[in-house]
Amino acid sequence: NAGVTQTPKFRVLKTGQSMTLLCAQDMNHEYMYWYRQDPGMGLRLIHYSVGEGTTAKGEVPDGYNVSRLKKQNFLLGLESAAPSQTSVYFCASSDGPPLHFGNGTRLTVT
Amino acid sequence: DQQVKQNSPSLSVQEGRISILNCDYTNSMFDYFLWYKKYPAEGPTFLISISSIKDKNEDGRFTVFLNKSAKHLSLHIVPSQPGDSAVYFCAASYYGGSQGNLIFGKGTKLSVKP
Repeated sequence: NAGVTQTPKFRVLKTGQSMTLLCAQDMNHEYMYWYRQDPGMGLRLIHYSVGEGTTAKGEVPDGYNVSRLKKQNFLLGLESAAPSQTSVYFCASSDGPPLHFGNGTRLTVT
Repeated sequence: DQQVKQNSPSLSVQEGRISILNCDYTNSMFDYFLWYKKYPAEGPTFLISISSIKDKNEDGRFTVFLNKSAKHLSLHIVPSQPGDSAVYFCAASYYGGSQGNLIFGKGTKLSVKP
């Protein structure tokens, strides 16, 4: 049972480039989330989804877009990366608490 | 404004002793609280939770205490083991956590020395 799988694990982007982070869960959970973790800041919610075809903004949504075309997948997009988006990104899924997290994607924007 | 606060960035304890990690919150609407543990290069893993209708929840070596009047919760680990060395995050939620959105504290790094 893989749980929550994030790809890629690492990525380096130049300012202005775009990319998509993929999250896949095999637990048939309705809810999925994208968080970012920065040093000394804990985890902050970027966007979330309460079901296939739905998305909603979290605490820090600016500069990101998301899509949930299939129940098992939740994509996080950066259209024009900025150095402030250097962070570790965690995807999570749940059917109510607790959330189950993936192992993260470490993104560096130079 | 930070709604969930973990004021101790780090804590060091001796193996076999008790570890006490603290968390304060400001929003009285929070009604469900969780603790997560995180090892380097891994995602957070769920440890223990408590509903606001309770003041204590135990799971093996881990106990969470909730003091609603003080808006304070704590995680007790007894006895502490070297494998408990990790970053611990406190998190809070509304509506019994039904929507799943969690507000996290900044974390406390626990070091358990042999």
